[in-house]
Amino acid sequence: DAGVIQSPRHEVTEMGQEVTLRCKPISGHNSLFWYRQTMMRGLELLIYFNNNVPIDDSGMPEDRFSAKMPNASFSTLKIQPSEPRDSAVYFCASSPTEKHGGREKLFFGSGTQLSVL
Amino acid sequence: AQSVTQPDIHITVSEGASLELRCNYSYGATPYLFWYVQSPGQGLQLLLKYFSGDTLVQGIKGFEAEFKRSQSSFNLRKPSVHWSDAAEYFCAVGPGGSQGNLIFGKGTKLSVKP
Repeated sequence: DAGVIQSPRHEVTEMGQEVTLRCKPISGHNSLFWYRQTMMRGLELLIYFNNNVPIDDSGMPEDRFSAKMPNASFSTLKIQPSEPRDSAVYFCASSPTEKHGGREKLFFGSGTQLSVL
Repeated sequence: AQSVTQPDIHITVSEGASLELRCNYSYGATPYLFWYVQSPGQGLQLLLKYFSGDTLVQGIKGFEAEFKRSQSSFNLRKPSVHWSDAAEYFCAVGPGGSQGNLIFGKGTKLSVKP
């Protein structure tokens, strides 16, 4: 398996623009997580899905952030409009089981480095 | 409040030396505990986890960690460090039930000198 695939690897955009980050989880995994990593705040969970259904989005910072999982093999995280403080590395992770809320073992993608100018 | 503290931001050890990375947590119930490793430009990879049972857990790449409830600690150890172990290490804690999410520490960056 190719692992969790995220695209793009790097994204540079201007403030106010819409940004869409994409994630393809490992086939057969039924839990998917979006994390954000910054120097100041470390790793923060934004939202997670079980069987394509959003379970907890309390980590989504503002209404500018939205996430979807239209099917088991694809998820998006959208920021509209983007702001400089959104600059961070965004990770997608998937898990093969719902046991323990899907945290039995997380498989992370390589992340998307987002820079908002 | 629930939290994870990794007191050491950056540690440098010589290749072949032993390693201990510290992790302390604050949690209201019996936690589930994890150590992840992140190589530059990569996502996190699970090293080991503790859910219950033996408090000394073995992981991949020769790492082990010991859960000490009385000290609220879950320190990561390796008897002999290899240059390829240079990376950032994250401790994480989560609730014992089926809901909730992992709380990650800020990480400890490990440098290995020849």
